[in-house]
Amino acid sequence: AQSVTQLDSQVPVFEEAPVELRCNYSSSVSVYLFWYVQYPNQGLQLLLKYLSGSTLVKGINGFEAEFNKSQTSFHLRKPSVHISDTAEYFCAVSDLAGGGNKLTFGTGTQLKVEL
Amino acid sequence: DAGVTQSPTHLIKTRGQQVTLRCSPKSGHDTVSWYQQALGQGPQFIFQYYEEEERQRGNFPDRFSGHQFPNYSSELNVNALLLGDSALYLCASSLGIEAFFGQGTRLTVV
Repeated sequence: AQSVTQLDSQVPVFEEAPVELRCNYSSSVSVYLFWYVQYPNQGLQLLLKYLSGSTLVKGINGFEAEFNKSQTSFHLRKPSVHISDTAEYFCAVSDLAGGGNKLTFGTGTQLKVEL
Repeated sequence: DAGVTQSPTHLIKTRGQQVTLRCSPKSGHDTVSWYQQALGQGPQFIFQYYEEEERQRGNFPDRFSGHQFPNYSSELNVNALLLGDSALYLCASSLGIEAFFGQGTRLTVV
């Protein structure tokens, strides 16, 4: 079985400061990894994904993440955050067993950007 | 492209009742998955439909059932509602690996 751990439930940060949201996963097989963002009362929007190839993945809105197989991590980073980045962020791993693409999510990290 | 659309957006039901939620996938997508997101939690996988068949199922009781139609749209049915079924229900469609999510249906059971 796969699992995802998001180590921080809340991360406060000042505007224009850098931020890192941490994600660790466990899996017995090769994985695909994702970061989603959820704004209040909305669905999930894909920020970025790691499928294969370069371990540094760039996504939308200036976010990037690095896949580290030895540490089973996929941390999300942004060099300079904006007020509009305030949202809930979810890390997820894809399970391709049975031919499907079931997603297992972490519990989320609330990013709060302050002036 | 309208993306993934879900209806209704909000719903209030009484314990013991039954509810049906609907999802129209993104154009061209043939796979639909349903997730339950309780307040303050990450989404939990309920099940996935492909070619009108349930392909995968999460750890949810049989009260949760679904259907996929020939046009790939899908329904989620929940019988004998419990207070604990109150949550945001998310539908995701995909053609391959990447999943696109709808805005969700907020179900409140009173």
